[in-house]
Amino acid sequence: EAGVAQSPRYKIIEKRQSVAFWCNPISGHATLYWYQQILGQGPKLLIQFQNNGVVDDSQLPKDRFSAERLKGVDSTLKIQPAKLEDSAVYLCASSLGYDGYTFGSGTRLTVV
Amino acid sequence: KQEVTQIPAALSVPEGENLVLNCSFTDSAIYNLQWFRQDPGKGLTSLLLIQSSQREQTSGRLNASLDKSSGRSTLYIAASQPGDSATYLCAVRPGSGYALNFGKGTSLLVTP
Repeated sequence: EAGVAQSPRYKIIEKRQSVAFWCNPISGHATLYWYQQILGQGPKLLIQFQNNGVVDDSQLPKDRFSAERLKGVDSTLKIQPAKLEDSAVYLCASSLGYDGYTFGSGTRLTVV
Repeated sequence: KQEVTQIPAALSVPEGENLVLNCSFTDSAIYNLQWFRQDPGKGLTSLLLIQSSQREQTSGRLNASLDKSSGRSTLYIAASQPGDSATYLCAVRPGSGYALNFGKGTSLLVTP
């Protein structure tokens, strides 16, 4: 079974620039999540999708972050404009129901 | 709001020692609890999943226990090896919803 695919693995941008991350979940997993992990912290949920719809985006900074899930499969997370405090690892995960949670390898973003 | 705390934040032990990592959570109305391993620059790998009705789970040298009423879980690692060096994260899934609440992790170093 293929895992959760994320790209790019690393990204360095200047503040105020924009950046986008891509995620392809495990086939058949209806639920997709984006987590933000700042150095030394545990992952924090940014947004959760169930198929095409958003279930929880309460911790997503909507003035600069946006996310979409295309046809209930792939997802993109965008930051525009980026701030220094957005430097983090962005993890995508998918799950089948309440269990079977699988994480991708993440995208490490550095904002300079 | 669910708060997850992990103690200690960092731990260094010589190879062969048995060790215990601790996790506590403030809201006992959980669906399940998971222990993850994270290697530097990598995503999260699920180690053990304990349902709220269970008391413990075992996988090889790993044993995780859950005391839901007191809001505590422990991860026991027997006969530690240098390859066990990583950050161990505890995550709680609430009684409703799919998203996980993570602790900050315990950084483990096993020296030869």
